[in-house]
Order: sequence, then C-alpha cells, then structure tokens
Amino acid sequence: GAGVSQSPRYKVAKRGQDVALRCDPISGHVSLFWYQQALGQGPEFLTYFQNEAQLDKSGLPSDRFFAERPEGSVSTLKIQRTQQEDSAVYLCASSLGLAAAYEQYFGPGTRLTVT
Amino acid sequence: DAKTTQPNSMESNEEEPVHLPCNHSTISGTDYIHWYRQLPSQGPEYVIHGLTSNVNNRMASLAIAEDRKSSTLILHRATLRDAAVYYCILRVDSGGGADGLTFGKGTHLIIQP
Repeated sequence: GAGVSQSPRYKVAKRGQDVALRCDPISGHVSLFWYQQALGQGPEFLTYFQNEAQLDKSGLPSDRFFAERPEGSVSTLKIQRTQQEDSAVYLCASSLGLAAAYEQYFGPGTRLTVT
Repeated sequence: DAKTTQPNSMESNEEEPVHLPCNHSTISGTDYIHWYRQLPSQGPEYVIHGLTSNVNNRMASLAIAEDRKSSTLILHRATLRDAAVYYCILRVDSGGGADGLTFGKGTHLIIQP
C-alpha cells in the first residue's frame, strides 16, 4: 500500500521567509510524528499528534515552529521567518498508535535549505 | 530516559552474517527495544522490535539478553543494500503511550563486496 508521503521533497527559502511542509500519513494511522535531521546527525524528535490532538511539542526548537493536523490526517509543519540554522531534513512518520510496541513508518523527508 | 550504546561503525563482507550489538543497561521492565536503519538520503526504516523474547522477521533477527541489558541485531546474509546507519532505540511507555523516538548516533555499517 501507499507509504508516508511528504511534499515538497526539496525547498529553498530565503532567510526570513515562511515555509510550510506537508505530510500525508499512511491511511488509518492515528499517530503522526515530526523529526528534524541536521546534516550528519540522527533525527531529533519535534512534536507528535494523536488524531488531531498535539500531545507534545516540547521538541520544537522555537516559537517560529508550528505544527497542525486539523482533521487528524494530513499534517503541516510551518516555520516562520526561517533562519539558516533551520536548514535540515524534516521527516514525518506515522504509526497505528502510541503504544511502545508500535513501529513508525517514515516518509522520505523534505530537505529545507535556507539561504 | 533509558539510553543505548552502540559502536560507531562496523564493517562486514557481503553474504556474511552481521551482528550489531546494543547495550541498554538502564532498561526498564516495560521498555521495548526497537531497531531502525537509515540508508543514504532516505528516511529511517523500521527493522524489528522486541520486549523479552528473541524475534525474527523477513529482514532480521533480534536476540535479547536474558537480563535485557543488551541486544543484538542479526542480519543473516548481508548485501550491499544493507549498508546503512542502524539505530537501537528504547521505547518507553509511560501508560499514556510513548513519545517520539530518541535516535542516538547509531552504528554505521559498511559492507565490503
């Protein structure tokens, strides 16, 4: 079946611009996670949703980062007034649920470059 | 949070078995052991997970020590496509569910033809 998809795959933004990154999870997956991966590093957790509820946003680096999942399916990660340090790959993952036994399925990521 | 320790890198030959170790000496009784891998320029990929017993699936096997303080991911016959960074991750369930995955540095597996 279809996996997790993300768009755009690549985004170049000028410093100060706002960007919106989209994630389409696997159909039926109620949990959705966002991660940030800097070059040469492992992914770092940003935030997650159970259906439309955002349960933890403690990993968001600043108040310029905002995530939403209004209908419990597609999610958007928005970054306002982008800075060079925001350059990274943004990964989305979905899961059947939140229990520790559930595995997560990742999308290909969106590579954001801020110039 | 319970942490894991993995070697930075390992090298193996194609068509030979690979044993990737992971230490997690502070693991709690309800923590699941998950393995993911990340191929170059791709998102992470789920490999296998377990709680107490050894597990097998089409990709790999997971051997868990009796005291659960360590585990080993086994690739039975490595191919060049298995070259990736392998992450051993503990998933802690606090009762309300588990948070996001905590990736460490992982083990960079190099496969020689």
